[in-house]
Amino acid sequence: DAKTTQPPSMDCAEGRAANLPCNHSTISGNEYVYWYRQIHSQGPQYIIHGLKNNETNEMASLIITEDRKSSTLILPHATLRDTAVYYCIPSGGTSYGKLTFGQGTILTVHP
Amino acid sequence: DTAVSQTPKYLVTQMGNDKSIKCEQNLGHDTMYWYKQDSKKFLKIMFSYNNKELIINETVPNRFSPKSPDKAHLNLHINSLELGDSAVYFCASTAASWIDMNTEAFFGQGTRLTVV
Repeated sequence: DAKTTQPPSMDCAEGRAANLPCNHSTISGNEYVYWYRQIHSQGPQYIIHGLKNNETNEMASLIITEDRKSSTLILPHATLRDTAVYYCIPSGGTSYGKLTFGQGTILTVHP
Repeated sequence: DTAVSQTPKYLVTQMGNDKSIKCEQNLGHDTMYWYKQDSKKFLKIMFSYNNKELIINETVPNRFSPKSPDKAHLNLHINSLELGDSAVYFCASTAASWIDMNTEAFFGQGTRLTVV
């Protein structure tokens, strides 16, 4: 399993963009980068995933570096409800969707 | 409609008891999982089933026995409960198959198990 490094915590002002970095330098060529979040006491929630191209959906944007060793999740206009633990997880290949969660980043959005 | 539902939401029981947690998904997915989140909030996979067959078993004690009666259900039975089994257990499902492993997971809301 590829190891990931994320900052333990980050703060963001409401309405501003939140940029959450992740280092996954040991990612395999057939692994995608997935981002999930866990809002207090709830089940993890899928946000976005990508292989090598940048991706955007209604929740967020994902920027993956050309060498695929790191990525950044962007929440364009953070709200208080975005306060959560954010996990960056390389997954895919032959893992049958297995997710190996790290410590994640606690994002706190302030009014 | 809840995509992945677990019952019960809370479970308090005494050491040595046997208990089950049930999980159902209505997404038509082929693959289901059990994850455990301990008191330090660390989430770890326990089991995975694909089309009722066990495909991932992450060195979980034999006291834990998953059972998948059909693709839509994955139950977790725990024998001889210990204090260290206290945790939140999450069920999840994906459309992952041997053809395509790259799909998003949907999680249930969790079952908080407290062993006293």
